[in-house]
Amino acid sequence: DQQVKQNSPSLSVQEGRISILNCDYTNSMFDYFLWYKKYPAEGPTFLISISSIKDKNEDGRFTVFLNKSAKHLSLHIVPSQPGDSAVYFCAGSTTSGTYKYIFGTGTRLKVLA
Amino acid sequence: DSGVTQTPKHLITATGQRVTLRCSPRSGDLSVYWYQQSLDQGLQFLIQYYNGEERAKGNILERFSAQQFPDLHSELNLSSLELGDSALYFCASSVATGNEQFFGPGTRLTVL
Repeated sequence: DQQVKQNSPSLSVQEGRISILNCDYTNSMFDYFLWYKKYPAEGPTFLISISSIKDKNEDGRFTVFLNKSAKHLSLHIVPSQPGDSAVYFCAGSTTSGTYKYIFGTGTRLKVLA
Repeated sequence: DSGVTQTPKHLITATGQRVTLRCSPRSGDLSVYWYQQSLDQGLQFLIQYYNGEERAKGNILERFSAQQFPDLHSELNLSSLELGDSALYFCASSVATGNEQFFGPGTRLTVL
């Protein structure tokens, strides 16, 4: 049972354009969501998070949108830069109980110069 | 550098063997998490420890076990290894349960 799904395994975007990475979840108990970025041969690094009481959170070039009714979140990167090329994982969690993160399978973003 | 260290970086072993992966959390972090990433798979949560006690379990096989020691470092023990256990194993740490997790660089395990 995959509670967090990233249906696009890869995405290519031109430098300077917007990158939109999508994530769907099935567990209605999730109330906290995160995006992590992973470069080859490194561990994932935290990028941005959003609580379910919000529908948008912005941090510089990165914005995460949450649509609770659709159980969907997206990460927007504007403008995209070649250094953004990495694998992006979204994760869902609950802020009660164990707080464990459930990750999606990742989307490989390639930003073309 | 996240401050989380994992050893060894690479491990090659044979089926049926037993290995131990080690993780040192960031200074001050009490929670340690273990994840497995197989080829083309997401990060699968295995187990979490908080201040020496098991806090949460995920899809961890009975052949796998973990512990967190008084100095807060953690070890993941994998026994009776099978080919399908080949994966990247990540350790993460956080200040407490519910805080942002910081990941180590991972241990790549290859079972031949």
